[in-house]
Amino acid sequence: EVQLVESGGGLVQPGGSLRLSCAASGFTFSDFNMKWVRQAPGKGLEWISHISNSGKTIYYADSVKGRFTISRDNAKNTVYLQMNSLRAEDTAVYHCARQYYDSWVGFSNWFDPWGQGTLVIVSS
Amino acid sequence: EIVLTQFPATLSLSPGERATLSCRASQSVGTYLAWYQHKPGLPPRLLIYGVSNRATGIPARFSGSGSGTDFTLSISSLEPEDFAVYYCQQRSNLLWTFGQGTKVEIK
Repeated sequence: EVQLVESGGGLVQPGGSLRLSCAASGFTFSDFNMKWVRQAPGKGLEWISHISNSGKTIYYADSVKGRFTISRDNAKNTVYLQMNSLRAEDTAVYHCARQYYDSWVGFSNWFDPWGQGTLVIVSS
Repeated sequence: EIVLTQFPATLSLSPGERATLSCRASQSVGTYLAWYQHKPGLPPRLLIYGVSNRATGIPARFSGSGSGTDFTLSISSLEPEDFAVYYCQQRSNLLWTFGQGTKVEIK
């Protein structure tokens, strides 16, 4: 069974840092691109970062560019999100998601499955 | 950045009724359009990708259509488990954006 389990969330002061982890199991992690998506309280989904299977190709949303860093360790089947200079508006549930794959389309640009998420609260 | 606008914000329907959800893009997204279902306490789930292709395990009552800038997610006959929030999503220029969501609630 494919599983994605996020950890590392918590309460942090504005300007602080936090590192999120997403542990993957049930599939060949090094074959798949991974993403981070967040949902602020009462708001919709926001894609924030993408990393290719090798880790060589990385993209960020403008809202986090320069503050957040995505990385992965294929030996540990884990993707990370280092979050620096945190702001109140970064308060959200952070989900990791895997690149979607099925036998008809192969590897695609869509997101599935997703982890349950980890809550980050930025507040003084 | 391409903006996706979903309407209506809320759809109040009864089980067995047909649901029609709309998503409009600020510019053409070609076929790079997907739909997700999100229930409270659960992670989002991919329903439709490439405008009209059902993801693995998605029931046939879910269908997607449209092209260019206007897209529709249809649920032919609502089941109790279909009441949720639905998001459209597009990919372009090395980034992804979501619509703000449509909540399908029980009338």
